[in-house]
Amino acid sequence: GAVVSQHPSRVICKSGTSVKIECRSLDFQATTMFWYRQFPKQSLMLMATSNEGSKATYEQGVEKDKFLINHASLTLSTLTVTSAHPEDSSFYICSAPRSSYEQYFGPGTRLTVT
Amino acid sequence: SQQGEEDPQALSIQEGENATMNCSYKTSINNLQWYRQNSGRGLVHLILIRSNEREKHSGRLRVTLDTSKKSSSLLITASRAADTASYFCATKIIQGAQKLVFGQGTRLTINP
Repeated sequence: GAVVSQHPSRVICKSGTSVKIECRSLDFQATTMFWYRQFPKQSLMLMATSNEGSKATYEQGVEKDKFLINHASLTLSTLTVTSAHPEDSSFYICSAPRSSYEQYFGPGTRLTVT
Repeated sequence: SQQGEEDPQALSIQEGENATMNCSYKTSINNLQWYRQNSGRGLVHLILIRSNEREKHSGRLRVTLDTSKKSSSLLITASRAADTASYFCATKIIQGAQKLVFGQGTRLTINP
């Protein structure tokens, strides 16, 4: 069964609003989680590393004020897309490592901004 | 940023044939992993090969790793229509904590 969940699986929002996506590790604790974005027919691009108890680490070119990350507990990280615009429409995927060699991916959240 | 490239970008073969996908990367790695993604869905982990390994098998999958060339290949033997998906390699770089960096992916189509 799934060991990392994401909610919601799909969301449609209006331009200018904010959307929160949750990523949960279901049967293990994750001090670190990762957020990826995937545009249609493209690969996964790492956006940021979510760190429990400290600030997230953003990849170059990713706006930290637009993509707010909060690692609220050892099993939950949230990504908030603030003031969303149509160009933010994408597939957002989180992952959580359970060990050095095991990393589990969530099923993804499809965001559509109208 | 992307770690490397995969080729081909798209591959279409007949059911029963073997499919080979290649992945190149740029930096030293701890391990390399292959994932499958069906259209619009999440990722499925296929196989992991450590930097000190050269070849690994799992069912119909065979993965090779050449660290001197910074490249890996994924071979799917006796392909099936259900193998139709996008395949991505992902590398865990030595100095990158646990984060994985993905290649561009190969879109594989198996024709019945």
